[in-house]
Amino acid sequence: TQLLEQSPQFLSIQEGENLTVYCNSSSVFSSLQWYRQEPGEGPVLLVTVVTGGEVKKLKRLTFQFGDARKDSSLHITAAQPGDTGLYLCAGGRVNAGNMLTFGGGTRLMVKP
Amino acid sequence: DAGVIQSPRHEVTEMGQEVTLRCKPISGHNSLFWYRQTMMRGLELLIYFNNNVPIDDSGMPEDRFSAKMPNASFSTLKIQPSEPRDSAVYFCASSFLAAPSGNTIYFGEGSWLTVV
Repeated sequence: TQLLEQSPQFLSIQEGENLTVYCNSSSVFSSLQWYRQEPGEGPVLLVTVVTGGEVKKLKRLTFQFGDARKDSSLHITAAQPGDTGLYLCAGGRVNAGNMLTFGGGTRLMVKP
Repeated sequence: DAGVIQSPRHEVTEMGQEVTLRCKPISGHNSLFWYRQTMMRGLELLIYFNNNVPIDDSGMPEDRFSAKMPNASFSTLKIQPSEPRDSAVYFCASSFLAAPSGNTIYFGEGSWLTVV
């Protein structure tokens, strides 16, 4: 059972389209991270959000942490083929050290 | 800067053989993780070390799996005997515990294991 549910699991879109990926949980997290993983490589951190309601932008990517710190979303504007990859959300808890709970991932393909 | 270094990158072995995966964390990091990734189960935490001490090994599948961290710059994950269902990508990751939460975890490129 995944403590963090990501949706959709798979997404195939055309270049230029917008998309949103969701990460939901019934548990409260002290921090929420988003990673991107490309084929043959390990996940790479994109962003960390720690405050309920926090919004962070990274170029065409917008990340939001839910007010109750149980959910998060990643919105990509004008997707490009270079955005193709596996997007993983991961929740952290205070006093859990660096341990993270990962979601199942959203596999995104952006076609030219 | 050198990232997390894992070896081997790829290994194909026969069922029943011993497999040893190696990891060199980023210098100065005090936390080390072993993860396993499969299409079916996603990214699973196997074991977590802090200051070379195993803190949580609840994710280790069974007694066939063991992990050691003899010093701050080296860790191994051993599978003995290996089984086909162990086929997966095994990631080592490291981090520095600076804040109660939200610290960045750096992953290696993974060891792709196939057990036939």
